[in-house]
Amino acid sequence: QITLKESGPTLVKPTQTLTLTCTFSGFSLSTSGVGVGWIRQPPGKALEWLALIYWDDDKRYSPSLKSRLTITKDTSKNQVVLTMTNMDPVDTATYYCAHYSGYTPNFDYWGQGTLVTVSS
Amino acid sequence: QSVLTQPPSVSGAPGQRVTISCTGSSSNIGAGYDVHWYQQLPGTAPKLLIYGNSNRPSGVPDRFSGSKSGTSASLAISGLQAEDEADYYCQSYDSSLSGSWVFGGGTKLTVL
Repeated sequence: QITLKESGPTLVKPTQTLTLTCTFSGFSLSTSGVGVGWIRQPPGKALEWLALIYWDDDKRYSPSLKSRLTITKDTSKNQVVLTMTNMDPVDTATYYCAHYSGYTPNFDYWGQGTLVTVSS
Repeated sequence: QSVLTQPPSVSGAPGQRVTISCTGSSSNIGAGYDVHWYQQLPGTAPKLLIYGNSNRPSGVPDRFSGSKSGTSASLAISGLQAEDEADYYCQSYDSSLSGSWVFGGGTKLTVL
């Protein structure tokens, strides 16, 4: 079965760079049509899509955050890494990674999420 | 401000039917992009509930149904149960600004 799990720091200081890793199993990121996305959710607020990487290394970013985001993949390790620069308290949120099915374009499997707090 | 608009809250008594709307525009739902729905139980990750406007993944009860028309979509839940109390989000794709995946602002369903 498909599983995903996010890992990374729980606390970062303002202006620092956040690096999150999504480790997955049950699928290959070299399979045509497959992708992994990152979505975040500030406490008590709505979901916000951040970035997505496809099996062919095509990368897409949220227009409002594009300058701060980088998404990469390591197919051999079954990992996807998201970096976000210049962190601010408003970036405090639970960050989720999710399996993306390009053929029914939705996020059909989600990780449990990891809460990242930005505070000095 | 979310690109897709949902009512902040809806409520219904056990056994009743409720609907949640999701209103978009000509660059997302109205452009023909599919709408998907997610259920988020308290303290948990979102779960895919409806995909491709009206399809249910395996294991989702047929009490849940989805539809799409024009620039809007709806999620209907019939035979409400206490366990349905959750946040519900619609999601689509938006072709403006180089393209992006967009979510609604979420709707809190309260089972009275």
